[in-house]
Amino acid sequence: ETVLTQSPGTLSLSPGERATLSCRANRNLNSMSLAWYQHSPGQAPRLLIYAASKRASGIPDRFSGSGSGTDFTLTISRLAPADFAVYYCQQYSTSPITFGQGTRLEIK
Amino acid sequence: QVQLVQSGAEVREPGASVKVSCKGLGYTFTGYYVHWVRQAPGQGPEWMGWIIPNSGGTTYAEKFQDRVTLTRDTSISTVYLELRRLTSDDTAIYYCAKDANRGTLDVWGQGTTVTVSS
Repeated sequence: ETVLTQSPGTLSLSPGERATLSCRANRNLNSMSLAWYQHSPGQAPRLLIYAASKRASGIPDRFSGSGSGTDFTLTISRLAPADFAVYYCQQYSTSPITFGQGTRLEIK
Repeated sequence: QVQLVQSGAEVREPGASVKVSCKGLGYTFTGYYVHWVRQAPGQGPEWMGWIIPNSGGTTYAEKFQDRVTLTRDTSISTVYLELRRLTSDDTAIYYCAKDANRGTLDVWGQGTTVTVSS
C-alpha cells in the first residue's frame, strides 16, 4: 500500500504566521491524486484541497496545495485562530486509500 | 444542505458485531459512492471500504475483507457498516464520507464512537 509520511508531527506557530506542512509518498501518485483535510476536535474532517492543488468549495484562498510525484505541501498563508487543528493528507491514486499520520498545528 | 447523519455511539463486548448507519440528506443519494473511514485513539484515519449506493457494489480494504459488510437501503438513503468479531483494536470513531471524485471525500458524517470492552 502507499504510505504517506507527514512532517512535522507538530508545528507551533502564532496567528498571522505562515504554515508549511509536508506529505511524502513512498511511490509516485498518479494524476496528483492527493487531498488535504483539516480535523478540529469534536468535528468531522473537512476537505481543504484535492488533486494536490485545487481548493474545495468554500475554502479560503489562504489555503493552497502544491507538489507532484511523491512530495506535496499544504501552505496556510496567514494563520487564523480557527486554523489550529490537525491536518491529514490522503492519497487516492492506488487502492487501498491511505492517510498520513497527521500534523498537529498548535498555537505558540 | 448536503449532510451525512450517523447513528449513535455503541458499546460491544469482544467477539460481538456492530452495525452503524449513515443517512444521506440534501443530495442524490444514489449518485455518489460512500466510504467508511475509522480513526482509533492517537492514530491517523484508516480507510475501510466503499459502497456504490446505486448498485450496491462494494470494495473493501484487504485488512477488513473478512469482517466487514457494507450495505444500503436506497428507499431511506442510508448505508450501513457491519463489523464482526470485534476486538479492543476496533475501538475507534467510525465515519462515513461522500465521494466527490474518485476518492476525494467532500462531506463527512459526524462520526460514531464504537467502544469494544469487556
